[in-house]
Amino acid sequence: DAKTTQPPSMDCAEGRAANLPCNHSTISGNEYVYWYRQIHSQGPQYIIHGLKNNETNEMASLIITEDRKSSTLILPHATLRDTAVYYCIVRVLPYNSGNTPLVFGKGTRLSVIA
Amino acid sequence: NAGVTQTPKFQVLKTGQSMTLQCAQDMNHNSMYWYRQDPGMGLRLIYYSASEGTTDKGEVPNGYNVSRLNKREFSLRLESAAPSQTSVYFCASIRTERNTEAFFGQGTRLTVV
Repeated sequence: DAKTTQPPSMDCAEGRAANLPCNHSTISGNEYVYWYRQIHSQGPQYIIHGLKNNETNEMASLIITEDRKSSTLILPHATLRDTAVYYCIVRVLPYNSGNTPLVFGKGTRLSVIA
Repeated sequence: NAGVTQTPKFQVLKTGQSMTLQCAQDMNHNSMYWYRQDPGMGLRLIYYSASEGTTDKGEVPNGYNVSRLNKREFSLRLESAAPSQTSVYFCASIRTERNTEAFFGQGTRLTVV
């Protein structure tokens, strides 16, 4: 079962920041928060992950609340090419700890509007 | 690097036919996965292989078999295809020794008529 809750859809104006929320109220201390996205019908693409500190890379920023029960993925300047389904996943690391696989929920469909 | 390569990209089967979907990765990853994605739905895990020589069932394994042929290759077999198996199938791989992301293939679009 997916351990995360995301809104089914969101809209964002092109050039504005897209803030995608994720609730993971049952997250364990050794579980990381991962974000992937799937553009149209392509294979999912990794975006970012974090444990408890905020993280930033060339694609996005990840803000995790202090209690770790929720997080927000931020795309600072959304473009039309960022239109996709965004998946928030919690997972134990290292991956071979208990052989826990990567399980996807239903994600958030982000539409970037010109 | 080619990353994760799936073959074929498209396939049409008749009910009852069998086929094998192939997946190969060139990143020396330990773990490999097979997912299916139905229209408008998220990905559902069919089978996975945490390491060479091991396989485990995922959320929806019925009607499928897998083989981890070697570290590079992980195949998915449909012994007797059914219309309910019409879907897009994705293969993925992960290197498990350290904190790293999953890489996905571009998918196999399978239609069973």
